[in-house]
Amino acid sequence: AQSVAQPEDQVNVAEGNPLTVKCTYSVSGNPYLFWYVQYPNRGLQFLLKYITGDNLVKGSYGFEAEFNKSQTSFHLKKPSALVSDSALYFCAVRDESNTGNQFYFGTGTSLTVIP
Amino acid sequence: DAGITQSPRHKVTETGTPVTLRCHQTENHRYMYWYRQDPGHGLRLIHYSYGVKDTDKGEVSDGYSVSRSKTEDFLLTLESATSSQTSVYFCAIRPGPNTGELFFGEGSRLTVL
Repeated sequence: AQSVAQPEDQVNVAEGNPLTVKCTYSVSGNPYLFWYVQYPNRGLQFLLKYITGDNLVKGSYGFEAEFNKSQTSFHLKKPSALVSDSALYFCAVRDESNTGNQFYFGTGTSLTVIP
Repeated sequence: DAGITQSPRHKVTETGTPVTLRCHQTENHRYMYWYRQDPGHGLRLIHYSYGVKDTDKGEVSDGYSVSRSKTEDFLLTLESATSSQTSVYFCAIRPGPNTGELFFGEGSRLTVL
């Protein structure tokens, strides 16, 4: 079965510092990986995805993610955190083995950027 | 804006009553999904649809049914609501090809007393 794990429930970082939100995955085929962000009382917003190609994926709002096949990881990164980046972040993997191409989400990581 | 509208956005109901949540999309995408979000669990798939009258179960489908009689509408029904179904429910669409991402609605917060 496909799954992702987000080992940290909470990440705190000072404004201006680099941030990393961790995600590891388990898939039986090609990994199709995604990051989403959720602001309070809102739906999830797509940030970026890895399908194939370069291991460093660039996305919205200055975020990027590094795909590492040997470590089965897909960590979300940003060189300089903003207070407005404070939100809930979800990693997800898409399962190709069924009709609906189901997405499986991690439990989320709450990011707080401290001014 | 992915053109997804969920209704109602908030609902409080009592145990044992039926509840229907509606997801409406404006762009005729084939794939639609219903998730629930709970602390410590992230998002879990309830049901999904891959076309009119074509639906399938997700990982937490017990106690839920769905219907899709038109491309634009995907309904989630709780036949007899229980307190364990208190949650925030999200509808999503997948407009792209097989590698496409999901786009989410704003959510429907359901409280079952």
